[in-house]
Amino acid sequence: RKEVEQDPGPFNVPEGATVAFNCTYSNSASQSFFWYRQDCRKEPKLLMSVYSSGNEDGRFTAQLNRASQYISLLIRDSKLSDSATYLCVVTVPYNTDKLIFGTGTRLQVFP
Amino acid sequence: DTGVSQDPRHKITKRGQNVTFRCDPISEHNRLYWYRQTLGQGPEFLTYFQNEAQLEKSRLLSDRFSAERPKGSFSTLEIQRTEQGDSAMYLCASRKTGAGETQYFGPGTRLLVL
Repeated sequence: RKEVEQDPGPFNVPEGATVAFNCTYSNSASQSFFWYRQDCRKEPKLLMSVYSSGNEDGRFTAQLNRASQYISLLIRDSKLSDSATYLCVVTVPYNTDKLIFGTGTRLQVFP
Repeated sequence: DTGVSQDPRHKITKRGQNVTFRCDPISEHNRLYWYRQTLGQGPEFLTYFQNEAQLEKSRLLSDRFSAERPKGSFSTLEIQRTEQGDSAMYLCASRKTGAGETQYFGPGTRLLVL
């Protein structure tokens, strides 16, 4: 089983739509969780950290369910500029330096 | 631009040749990381440094790979006797301990082994 699993997509949605991505992780002792965004042929950039209580940043909402080892990202009111690959990331237990990435979920927002 | 920089951005080489990549982290970032990303996959951790000390190496880092950070500033990643399977994007990231967990990535070096 992969350490971090994501649906690769692509998710094709119209502008203004709400879209949700899910991610599962295998190690129940993982401590830190993130969503990174990666544009085509560019480097990954941190979108947001994911906290146990859930957190929101503008149109983006992230949630963590430790019992189910499940992380989600909700994007509301999608913009064309949201088109990218969204990478789910966890850290190994007791070592927040080693990021474990999922394969990413590709989002394409169309007009 | 005060972000992480990597050089070269692209490298094409023939199988069996040696290649070396350089990463300059953000100033004052004491931790430096190397990742590798192949097409359709997320980045995979290779190794990281705390100043000049290499703290961990992944099992992905075969004997043909070596990374250094001699003065605790820039780092080099060398691949000896390249193989076609080494073709990938090599990403460098850095962060400053005590200033959050976010790793800041450089633009990467795209390697193609023919």
